[in-house]
Amino acid sequence: GAVVSQHPSRVICKSGTSVKIECRSLDFQATTMFWYRQFPKKSLMLMATSNEGSKATYEQGVEKDKFLINHASLTLSTLTVTSAHPEDSSFYICSARLGGANGYTFGSGTRLTVV
Amino acid sequence: EDKVVQSPLSLVVHEGDTVTLNCSYEVTNFRSLLWYKQEKKAPTFLFMLTSSGIEKKSGRLSSILDKKELFSILNITATQTGDSAVYLCASGGYNKLIFGAGTRLAVHP
Repeated sequence: GAVVSQHPSRVICKSGTSVKIECRSLDFQATTMFWYRQFPKKSLMLMATSNEGSKATYEQGVEKDKFLINHASLTLSTLTVTSAHPEDSSFYICSARLGGANGYTFGSGTRLTVV
Repeated sequence: EDKVVQSPLSLVVHEGDTVTLNCSYEVTNFRSLLWYKQEKKAPTFLFMLTSSGIEKKSGRLSSILDKKELFSILNITATQTGDSAVYLCASGGYNKLIFGAGTRLAVHP
């Protein structure tokens, strides 16, 4: 089936540094990728929608300059958390929409800890 | 504002019990209602519902959508400890998924 590969699965970084998270669609082309954030014991919150070859669409309250999204090809979307702070520590998951009755498929998630 | 509301937020049952999880939604340009199971990492897909009144089944799990009442339920019969997870409901508008808070199900032996 359609697989989205996300890495790293876990990253620990120092405050002030930037972290890049990658999501690759392995056996299909994802023109649109969705980026979610999940706090402990909370649901997934949509941060932004990335579209191949164009600017990402950010949800209200999400800082564009802090969470940089790039979707340079049909198989790769990246989220860069810039100048990370401890409050950015969270679980980040990407997702791609599949055609037909298959819904959406998710990457395995990245647990970011900023110390 | 688009929203998806799940109930109950948590549920504790014993193996063999049947559970019903609820999901109500208010979403602009509604297209589909999806159910996911989340254990430790990313959600895994269970069902996608687009038509009212048509039950979808997969083993002990089944789900149905009521587009008039803007409501869906997920049933799990003969629960097992492996069913313990967070069950997420999501409503798809135009190219967008809005998630509910989830129902945390714990199945005890």
